[in-house]
Formats: sequence, C-alpha cells, structure tokens
Amino acid sequence: EAQVTQNPRYLITVTGKKLTVTCSQNMNHEYMSWYRQDPGLGLRQIYYSMNVEVTDKGDVPEGYKVSRKEKRNFPLILESPSPNQTSLYFCASSNIMTKGALTDTQYFGPGTRLTVL
Amino acid sequence: KNEVEQSPQNLTAQEGEFITINCSYSVGISALHWLQQHPGGGIVSLFMLSSGKKKHGRLIATINIQEKHSSLHITASHPRDSAVYICAVRFDVYSGGGADGLTFGKGTHLIIQP
Repeated sequence: EAQVTQNPRYLITVTGKKLTVTCSQNMNHEYMSWYRQDPGLGLRQIYYSMNVEVTDKGDVPEGYKVSRKEKRNFPLILESPSPNQTSLYFCASSNIMTKGALTDTQYFGPGTRLTVL
Repeated sequence: KNEVEQSPQNLTAQEGEFITINCSYSVGISALHWLQQHPGGGIVSLFMLSSGKKKHGRLIATINIQEKHSSLHITASHPRDSAVYICAVRFDVYSGGGADGLTFGKGTHLIIQP
C-alpha cells in the first residue's frame, strides 16, 4: 500500500531535549516536505527536499533541521525544542512533474502531535 | 508577503446543497492545490491545478489565472463531505516563490447537516 508514515504519532517532551520525528515514504517520490499546523495560523511549510541531499527552507525553518540521505526518508530534527514548537506536524511526499518545478499531488502522513513543556 | 485568502472561513449547509469555496492569492503562481482535512486530522490532496478545471466525482476545481482566483465546488453535498478544505499555492519565482515552497490558506470549515 502506498503510504507516508511518521513516528512517533504523539510525543510529550521537555524544553531542550533533542528529538527526531521520522518520515518515510514507499512511493519512490523525489519531493518530501515538513509542515506544522497551528490553530488560527493553518499549515506552514518548515523544510522541503527536491531529492537526495537537496533541501531548502520553507516559511518557518527556525529551530528545525532536516536531512535527506536516502530517497525514502526525511527526518525532522529539533535540536533544542521549545514550547513554541508545540504543534501538529505533517510530512508529505510527491512526484515532481517534468515541466518546470511543479509538484504533483501530495501524499500526507498521519501527523505527529508534539507537546513541548 | 505573498498571501492566500480563503472564503468563507466557516460554512454550514444542508445535505444536497451545491457548495462553493473560494481561494484568492496575491501574485502569480505556478500551481494551486486543494486539500481536505478530516475531523480526525488526516490530510488528503484533492486536486493540483495550474490552469482550467478538474473534476473528480462530485468535486470540481477551477482556476482563473488572470483573476488570481480558484474555486472548489461540491455538488450534491453529503455529511461525509464535512471537513476543512485548504487551498495552497506555489508562487512563481518572479513573485518571490522558492523552488517549490507552498503557502497555505487558513482553511474553510465545512459542515453538511443531514
């Protein structure tokens, strides 16, 4: 079954304790992305990757790191989490269309609800 | 800052009604996505448009590039259509868009009553 998986689904942690949220897709997609969703602000893009070893900042990259060492995995790293990073996080992936840099339909993971105390 | 505006923010309708959700953006784009987020939180991509119109079942999405506007229509609405509908755009490079960054509207919360 084609899917995007995220782990963990729920996480409660404390300020400053490094954490990693994993994201994996089994569709051989080039494009992967991380978003956060907050009440009243909607979805905002954190980082995205057009292919292995190619990553770029989205609208809200501060406090986050990513890596793309393999095509299927795109982990999100919070080196020193703070309470303002409490949010619902989504990973997504898609093919990249051949015309320009347009992306195709995105497939979303189930979400990770993170609470930083 | 390039922005995406959706309207209405909230919409309650009766089963069977024709639904229209609107999305406007401030500068040129190269792609527009419509997403559906169910009450449980999962997000599904409905359409990706760069021009014209697309149809899938009871859902129709249109885009007018000149007017910088897109609409999502639901025909013969059903309670299972109740969800948050989100518009997202990729602003083109001449508008300051990144290689493939997406900017999202705040969503339209739709409730279809039986």
